[in-house]
Parts: sequence; structure tokens; C-alpha cells
Amino acid sequence: DIVMTQSPDSLAVSLGERATINCKSSQSVLYSSNNHNYLSWYQQKPGQPPKLLIYWASTRESGVPDRFTGSGSGTDFTLTISSVQAEDVAVYYCQQYYNTPPYTFGQGTKLEI
Amino acid sequence: EVQLVESGGGLVQPGGSLRLSCVASGFTFSSSEMYWVRQTTGKGLEWVSYISGSSTIMYYADSVKGRFTISRDNTKNSLYLQMNSLRVDDTAVYYCAKRAGPWGQGTLVTVSS
Repeated sequence: DIVMTQSPDSLAVSLGERATINCKSSQSVLYSSNNHNYLSWYQQKPGQPPKLLIYWASTRESGVPDRFTGSGSGTDFTLTISSVQAEDVAVYYCQQYYNTPPYTFGQGTKLEI
Repeated sequence: EVQLVESGGGLVQPGGSLRLSCVASGFTFSSSEMYWVRQTTGKGLEWVSYISGSSTIMYYADSVKGRFTISRDNTKNSLYLQMNSLRVDDTAVYYCAKRAGPWGQGTLVTVSS
């Protein structure tokens, strides 16, 4: 199974500051035939289901503010929030959906203001 | 807009059964790979089961293999999870999801005597 490891486990930033969350996979999730990285980012606020932010590592889901950016390839990925807002307080998860299941998750990163 | 709506959760005794349903809209369901994920407060997010668009390929997590069965009805845009021999540690919120796509709002399954 592919192991996903996020860092840090928690992150405290001030309003308007940049937040960076890292996700590392134990093996590449880049599919060479289509050059897609099979990685998503989700945001989960308290009492709510996880919300898809980014898929294919860098494609922003419709309606997601452009302050959220996904980057990286192969085994190393980053979610960047360019200017953190109060409503961004949440737990963020990365997930790989490469090839055959299991589609594993990172342990989550808690973002606080 | 992609929408996934789960139902069928509830309270069940250990050893009992439940059938979860998920109705999809806003995308071509019949050609979409779908899966179930569950979330517990203790163990975080766990991928449960996967089914291909044509129902020819299914995968299960080791923790549910032999007890859970995934299926779909493309004429009804619906995904199912038949859960038998339920155990206390199956207690979780269950989400249906589209590969590289969003999740539903979840349905709570509580296994308790």
C-alpha cells in the first residue's frame, strides 16, 4: 500500500499569512501515460464532511478560492494557502488514488489561526 | 454540479446488517469509478471499497473483505454498500465518493448493543 505522510501535523498562522502543507507518498503517484499525478487535497471543517479542494495535484475544484494552490509531482506535494482567512480553519488531508486501491490518506494537518 | 447523497445509516447491533445507498447526479455516473470511505474519530479516514463503472472490478479493504459488498445500478445512478456481520469497530461516518471527485455528506453507522 502507498503510505501518505503529511507535515506538519498542525500549523498556526496569522490572518493574511501564507500556509504551506506538505504531503509525501511512499511511491510515485504520477502516471506516465497521461502525466497526471493521482493526488487530491480535502478540507474538513468541524462537523462537516471533507470538501474537495484540489485534484490531479493542481486542478482547483470549481468554486474553490484561488488562494488555494496545489503543486508537486511524483512523491512530493504541497498545498499552499496564499493569504489565510478565518474561514480556512480546518483539517486538511491529502489522498492518493493511483492505480488500484487502497486509496490512502495522509493523517491530516490542523490549521489554526 | 456533482452531487452525492448517502442514506441508510443507523444504529445496529453487532452481527447485524445495513445497506447504504448513494444517489449521484451532475455527472456521467455509468462511466465513473466510485468508492466508499469511512471516518472514525479514532482512526481517521479509511478507504473501504471500490467499484468500476461497469461493475466488473471491485476491491475491498482487508478490514471489511468477506463482510461488505459494493454494487451499483447505473440505471438509477446509485451506489450501494451491503454491510453484513457488523462489528463495533465498523462504527463510522460512511461517505461515497467519485474517483478524483467530491464526496457526499456522509451517513452515520453506529454498531452497538
